[in-house]
Amino acid sequence: DGGITQSPKYLFRKEGQNVTLSCEQNLNHDAMYWYRQDPGQGLRLIYYSQIVNDFQKGDIAEGYSVSREKKESFPLTVTSAQKNPTAFYLCASSISAQKREKLFFGSGTQLSVL
Amino acid sequence: AQTVTQSQPEMSVQEAETVTLSCTYDTSESDYYLFWYKQPPSRQMILVIRQEAYKQQNATENRFSVNFQKAAKSFSLKISDSQLGDAAMYFCAYRSPDNYGQNFVFGPGTRLSVLP
Repeated sequence: DGGITQSPKYLFRKEGQNVTLSCEQNLNHDAMYWYRQDPGQGLRLIYYSQIVNDFQKGDIAEGYSVSREKKESFPLTVTSAQKNPTAFYLCASSISAQKREKLFFGSGTQLSVL
Repeated sequence: AQTVTQSQPEMSVQEAETVTLSCTYDTSESDYYLFWYKQPPSRQMILVIRQEAYKQQNATENRFSVNFQKAAKSFSLKISDSQLGDAAMYFCAYRSPDNYGQNFVFGPGTRLSVLP
């Protein structure tokens, strides 16, 4: 079955540490996205990528970095510069970045600070 | 910039009854898409229904239907014959017509409880 796989499900970060969240899709989608979800809030866009080797900052990109070296993979690194990283992170993809395309979501990663 | 508002942080409904979740949005565009996503306790986001702004007919998917009022910029979700499995966070989302990836805007969500 096609879908989006996020790992790990739970992740703990120590002070000053960089951590990487994995996102893999086998849907052959061009566009991929990273969202952050805080309690009681909607989803906020961190980064998105429309094609391989290209990505753009979203609304809250500070303290995060991404890469898109392969079509199926879009890892997110939460750097030590992100002072409040505790949140639920959702990876999503769509066939393209066109207006009609819905988003498909992974099952998320809960990141907490030790 | 577009904004999406969901004025009901929490709602509850009796099993088998009907409930309506509200959503309003702000845009100057005339062509766009609107979505309702469901997030159950598993936190997996699931598409419930999608509406194209240029279509006057309201979208329906089984027990789920929308009331799309374009002039009022309103997009409410009606759930009929509510089931225990409908308990979840529901997010309204707007997708703008530009071709950039930064074009999905989500509301803050409404938490729906279904009472047996």
